[in-house]
Amino acid sequence: DAKTTQPPSMDCAEGRAANLPCNHSTISGNEYVYWYRQIHSQGPQYIIHGLKNNETNEMASLIITEDRKSSTLILPHATLRDTAVYYCIVRAAHSGGGADGLTFGKGTHLIIQP
Amino acid sequence: NAGVTQTPKFQVLKTGQSMTLQCAQDMNHEYMSWYRQDPGMGLRLIHYSVGAGITDQGEVPNGYNVSRSTTEDFPLRLLSAAPSQTSVYFCAVGPTTGELFFGEGSRLTVL
Repeated sequence: DAKTTQPPSMDCAEGRAANLPCNHSTISGNEYVYWYRQIHSQGPQYIIHGLKNNETNEMASLIITEDRKSSTLILPHATLRDTAVYYCIVRAAHSGGGADGLTFGKGTHLIIQP
Repeated sequence: NAGVTQTPKFQVLKTGQSMTLQCAQDMNHEYMSWYRQDPGMGLRLIHYSVGAGITDQGEVPNGYNVSRSTTEDFPLRLLSAAPSQTSVYFCAVGPTTGELFFGEGSRLTVL
């Protein structure tokens, strides 16, 4: 799986959009970009994933650059409950199998300020 | 609809004791897995299963056993607990190995 690089921490004001960057310059053509977050003491939570097109769901938007070497997760109206560690993960999607699992790096600690 | 249920949430063991962490899902997904999370180490895959009767090893399988007799359940057994197995354990379930739904975790301390 391709390696990802994320800033270790970010601050964002409550009510503003939080934009979390991720670099994945070695991504392969069959690899997706996945985003998870982990709120303190809880299990990781799946947010969104995409291959090449931008994606949006009820939680967030995912913007992937045309060359696919980087992406941005956007939380449109951040709340205090969005304070968490956000993980950007790149891997091929499998319908089954995968001894390597998901590789969670150190992620970005997003702190939403009141 | 509970999603992914892990029990117990907390457990303290003595070195050498055995125990089973339970994971149950009502999402009807074929893929189930166990991760452990240690400070500064991130999550690491212990064992996984792609369906009933099929299990395989992940990155850190030593000291753990699993079985998958039904789609719903995927228990993780510690055969002879060691202090190095003190960790937070997460069960993860999903339609693929990328889109996973995690349980709330089981916090294990081995003295």
